[in-house]
Amino acid sequence: NAGVTQTPKFRILKIGQSMTLQCTQDMNHNYMYWYRQDPGMGLKLIYYSVGAGITDKGEVPNGYNVSRSTTEDFPLRLELAAPSQTSVYFCASSPDPIGEAFFGQGTRLTVV
Amino acid sequence: TQLLEQSPQFLSIQEGENLTVYCNSSSVFSSLQWYRQEPGEGPVLLVTVVTGGEVKKLKRLTFQFGDARKDSSLHITAAQPGDTGLYLCASLGNAGNMLTFGGGTRLMVKP
Repeated sequence: NAGVTQTPKFRILKIGQSMTLQCTQDMNHNYMYWYRQDPGMGLKLIYYSVGAGITDKGEVPNGYNVSRSTTEDFPLRLELAAPSQTSVYFCASSPDPIGEAFFGQGTRLTVV
Repeated sequence: TQLLEQSPQFLSIQEGENLTVYCNSSSVFSSLQWYRQEPGEGPVLLVTVVTGGEVKKLKRLTFQFGDARKDSSLHITAAQPGDTGLYLCASLGNAGNMLTFGGGTRLMVKP
């Protein structure tokens, strides 16, 4: 059972470049989340989705975009990378708001 | 957005000691989750508490939900090096859909 799969695991971007972080889950969960985690800190919610076709902003959405065309996939797009976006990004899914959130392994992104 | 405050931020103890970490909010939690995160991994759920005054035990870990549902604590008895990690509390935002996290307590248990 794969659970939540994130790709890539590591990436170095130059300032101004763009990229998409991929997230796929095979548990048929409606709820999906994107978080960023800066060194030694907790998780900050970037965007979330309650189902296919529905997305909403979290605590720190600026500089990011998402889409949810299917239940399984929830990609995160960075359009103009900035050093402040250097972080570890985690995708998570849950069956409902109160249910257990299952996390991917994370993507470590460095913007130089 | 519901603000979750965790304390202490860092805790370094010797194996065998007991410890308690806290999660507080100025507003009422609808429910609260505790997660543990190890280096290089995503967080993993330990427990969910829903009812005010609720106490749940998971081996040497005891979780308590405040009567007013505005605070929670995690107590570890006889800590072991394997307990080392980042302990995070999480709750739903006011809209009931956003799962937000506190800043975490980083625990180190020395042998």
